[in-house]
Amino acid sequence: QVQLVQSGAEVKKPGASVKVSCKASGYTFTSYYIHWVRQAPGQGLEWMGIINPTGGSTSYAQKYQGRVTMTRDTSTSTVYMELSSLRSEDTAVYYCTREAIYGPVPEYWGQGTLVTVSS
Amino acid sequence: DIVMTQSPATLSMSPGERATLSCRASQSVSSNLAWFQQQAGQAPRLLIYGASTRATGIPARFSGSGSGTEFTLTIGSLQSEDFAIYYCQHYNNWPWTFGQGTKVEIK
Repeated sequence: QVQLVQSGAEVKKPGASVKVSCKASGYTFTSYYIHWVRQAPGQGLEWMGIINPTGGSTSYAQKYQGRVTMTRDTSTSTVYMELSSLRSEDTAVYYCTREAIYGPVPEYWGQGTLVTVSS
Repeated sequence: DIVMTQSPATLSMSPGERATLSCRASQSVSSNLAWFQQQAGQAPRLLIYGASTRATGIPARFSGSGSGTEFTLTIGSLQSEDFAIYYCQHYNNWPWTFGQGTKVEIK
């Protein structure tokens, strides 16, 4: 079965960077795009960007341009999301999500990774 | 970016009642609209895609309708496990955007 397993919770200081991983299994890794979505405490869902696992091409939400980098490692079927210059407003749960077989709909989700930014 | 607006923010309902949730897009998204359910502390779960198609394993009491800019999610008869937050999301283009959510709570 399709699984997306994310790395554990992180606590970071303002100005630091965080790198969250998302390990995929149960399907052909290069066949589906992976998106990253975040959710601040008590808030809604916000799309951050997308990576094509085949060639590694990416597209980022304008809000995160220059601060986010999404990469992948096809040898381990893992995608990564790195966010730099962290500030308190970046405290959130970060999710990776895979598109569905029937179209660009986020069907499969990782369990989420809580990133806390605090001095 | 396309703005998704959900209403109401909160819906107070009793088990067995029918719930109707609305979602409006600031411009047409055709039928590229999905609905999600989120329970506290969990990842969102896909309920509906293509505005009206139930995802795998989703009970028939969940139904979606609409196209263009106006969409509706209907829960036919609320069960205890349906009390949660519901989000609409367009995938017509990037960036995807989500509505701010409708909380369905027990009256």
